[in-house]
Amino acid sequence: KAGVTQTPRYLIKTRGQQVTLSCSPISGHRSVSWYQQTPGQGLQFLFEYFSETQRNKGNFPGRFSGRQFSNSRSEMNVSTLELGDSALYLCASSLDGGNYGYTFGSGTRLTVV
Amino acid sequence: GQQLNQSPQSMFIQEGEDVSMNCTSSSIFNTWLWYKQEPGEGPVLLIALYKAGELTSNGRLTAQFGITRKDSFLNISASIPSDVGIYFCAGQRRNTPLVFGKGTRLSVIA
Repeated sequence: KAGVTQTPRYLIKTRGQQVTLSCSPISGHRSVSWYQQTPGQGLQFLFEYFSETQRNKGNFPGRFSGRQFSNSRSEMNVSTLELGDSALYLCASSLDGGNYGYTFGSGTRLTVV
Repeated sequence: GQQLNQSPQSMFIQEGEDVSMNCTSSSIFNTWLWYKQEPGEGPVLLIALYKAGELTSNGRLTAQFGITRKDSFLNISASIPSDVGIYFCAGQRRNTPLVFGKGTRLSVIA
């Protein structure tokens, strides 16, 4: 079966712009989580959506937001981009919120210049 | 946010050697997971552990869920060049997000 698909793979944006990243989970998976990965901070949890509802949220500013659609696909949005937002953004899906492990996508590499 | 204490940070080993890495936490988890990440890719699940004391193998990989539920280790036996990558531990409590260690970067010298 197809894995977790994230688009785009690479993105370059200018400070102050906004960006939308997309994640298509494995078919049948209802939970989608987003993580930010940087060399200094490692993997940091952003938020989790389950059946179109945000179930958990990490400690990120309100510029970071997300949503999940009825087909379980998810998007995350970052507004007013800052240089420090440059990172690999990873999406992970699971059947029911991780009790059987998460499957990660290949990520979107965002560079803010 | 919270992170797990993972060690060592990096390892350089000869092909054929065994490798051991571990993860500790100040709080308990219900699930321990071990992932491997290669350049340009997302983490790939290697082993999942669901019960304290559980010892699970996946080929040359063996992982254990500590009895106290606050730690886990991963062993790789007879390392090969394709074992190169960053290995992450992750802990989880029911219906809460994964908490990750900072990773162990493994280099294998042929």
